[in-house]
Amino acid sequence: EVQLVESGGGLVQPGGSLRLSCAASGFTFSSYAVTWVRQAPGKGLEWVSGISGTGATTYYADSVKGRFTISRDNSKNTLYLQMNSLRVEDTAVYYCAKDSRLRIFGCLDSWGQGTLVTVSS
Amino acid sequence: EIVLTQSPGTLSLSPGERATLSCRASQSVSGNYLAWYKQRLGQAPRLLIYGASSRATGIPDRFSGSGSGTDFTLTISRLEPEDFAVYYCQQYGSSGTFGQGTKLEIK
Repeated sequence: EVQLVESGGGLVQPGGSLRLSCAASGFTFSSYAVTWVRQAPGKGLEWVSGISGTGATTYYADSVKGRFTISRDNSKNTLYLQMNSLRVEDTAVYYCAKDSRLRIFGCLDSWGQGTLVTVSS
Repeated sequence: EIVLTQSPGTLSLSPGERATLSCRASQSVSGNYLAWYKQRLGQAPRLLIYGASSRATGIPDRFSGSGSGTDFTLTISRLEPEDFAVYYCQQYGSSGTFGQGTKLEIK
């Protein structure tokens, strides 16, 4: 059974940093791209960032480009999202999701339960 | 960037009725790389349909997807109580943009 478990969320001040993690199990992690999707309170889904199975290719939404960095450690079956220069509008539940293929931009066939990031002073 | 517009914003129906949800793209979705997700309150989204018309693993056959190019539809043939939720479409041919969602509520 595929499992994705996010951690690292919390309360941070504007301008601060946070690092999210997503521990994966139940599938061959290195064979699939993985993606971060966020959902602001009461709002819809926003695709944030994706990384290919090898880690060679990454992609970011314009809203986070230059501030967020996605990475993965295939030896630890773990995905990361380093978030710097956080803004109030980054407040959201952040979901980790497994892509359906090795390359980025597959459909998202398994999701974690999410971790809440709150940016507030 | 492709923009997806879902309609209606809210759909009020009764259990047993048929639901038709629409997703329109601002430009053609390459390869019909269009997915539908269901999200119940307080839960993570779940993949229902991929490739515009293929059901994901474990999804009942009352869910069906259709369409191509810029116009796509999710149909639920006979609503069950657990089907009342928010539904999102997503194009994954280029970038991964989502529609704004359709809330399916009990009438």
